[in-house]
Amino acid sequence: GAGVSQTPSNKVTEKGKYVELRCDPISGHTALYWYRQSLGQGPEFLIYFQGTGAADDSGLPNDRFFAVRPEGSVSTLKIQRTERGDSAVYLCASRSSGTGLTYEQYFGPGTRLTVT
Amino acid sequence: ILNVEQSPQSLHVQEGDSTNFTCSFPSSNFYALHWYRWETAKSPEALFVMTLNGDEKKKGRISATLNTKEGYSYLYIKGSQPEDSATYLCAFYNFNKFYFGSGTKLNVKP
Repeated sequence: GAGVSQTPSNKVTEKGKYVELRCDPISGHTALYWYRQSLGQGPEFLIYFQGTGAADDSGLPNDRFFAVRPEGSVSTLKIQRTERGDSAVYLCASRSSGTGLTYEQYFGPGTRLTVT
Repeated sequence: ILNVEQSPQSLHVQEGDSTNFTCSFPSSNFYALHWYRWETAKSPEALFVMTLNGDEKKKGRISATLNTKEGYSYLYIKGSQPEDSATYLCAFYNFNKFYFGSGTKLNVKP
């Protein structure tokens, strides 16, 4: 079956602009995660959805970042007034259960965001 | 913020060498530890999910052990091949969140 997909694969934007990054999880996966990976670092947790609701958004760095998952499937990460420090790879992952300890995450290929 | 550390940061080995890396994590409130392999231009791929102290998991030439009491996990690769070249990430699972280490970048020379 299809894996997790993310679009676009690359996004170059000017400082101050608004961007949207999309994630299509594996069908039926209720849990969805967004991560940000900067050069030389591991993925950094941003937000976790269980179904349609954001169960934990404690990793969002500030109020310029927002994410939605209105129908419990596709999710969009939205960044307002982008800054050069937002440049990173944004990864999305889904899991079949939000509470099962043994369920692994399935990652998408990521979106590389460059803010000039 | 939970601290997850991986060492070494990078590793260069010859084809056929065996190697191992370390992941250190908090020893309290342990739920699970995940290992991932991330090849360049691909998605991170799950290798192991480990939940019990003393767990040993194996997939082909790759194996992992877990010590939750002292807060570490080892990943072993036996007879490294060039296709094993990738970044290996560990992630500590706690209250529905994953805390990743910075990874160990492995380069296997033919």
